[in-house]
Amino acid sequence: GAVVSQHPSRVICKSGTSVKIECRSLDFQATTMFWYRQFPKKSLMLMATSNEGSKATYEQGVEKDKFLINHASLTLSTLTVTSAHPEDSSFYICSAWGTKQGEAEKLFFGSGTQLSVL
Amino acid sequence: RKEVEQDPGPFNVPEGATVAFNCTYSNSASQSFFWYRQDCRKEPKLLMSVYSSGNEDGRFTAQLNRASQYISLLIRDSKLSDSATYLCVVNQAGTALIFGKGTTLSVSS
Repeated sequence: GAVVSQHPSRVICKSGTSVKIECRSLDFQATTMFWYRQFPKKSLMLMATSNEGSKATYEQGVEKDKFLINHASLTLSTLTVTSAHPEDSSFYICSAWGTKQGEAEKLFFGSGTQLSVL
Repeated sequence: RKEVEQDPGPFNVPEGATVAFNCTYSNSASQSFFWYRQDCRKEPKLLMSVYSSGNEDGRFTAQLNRASQYISLLIRDSKLSDSATYLCVVNQAGTALIFGKGTTLSVSS
């Protein structure tokens, strides 16, 4: 059934480096994927909507040049945190609408990526 | 005003207790409503959808009041395994889910 695979699950990097997070839809095509960020004890905040074959739509306050989103195929969206800084340390999670056989469409989540920038 | 507001808690209850969470949303155009459960640093998992007529799934009962833009979740006979953060979630068709901050529940023996 519909599953969203997200990698890596955990990243520790030095300040100034770039980090790429991959989100793959398994067994279904995802024309739209959503990227969220969650700081400790805070809610999941929508960062951007990733659209296959077109530019991502970013939420207010999210820097598109810092958080690069690429959705080149129907099964893969990537989020690249460029020149990461300690304040970018957070839990990043992707999601996509999909269906399991016999069930209504629902939003499936990747397992998340914990980014720690030193 | 935040789109989805919840009492963050924490709610600390003994096993067997009944506990209720409340949530309000600001966008009257919201069409779908859910309760998700999230364990620490894990992805959120759908607990149940919420319907206007109210719905029940075992020990969990969800209610929706569209006029008041209010959603509730009732957990009966709390178990230790119910300890988690409960997220109130709304959305319009086909769009991203909008999450509340979450209410933390801690069930103790």
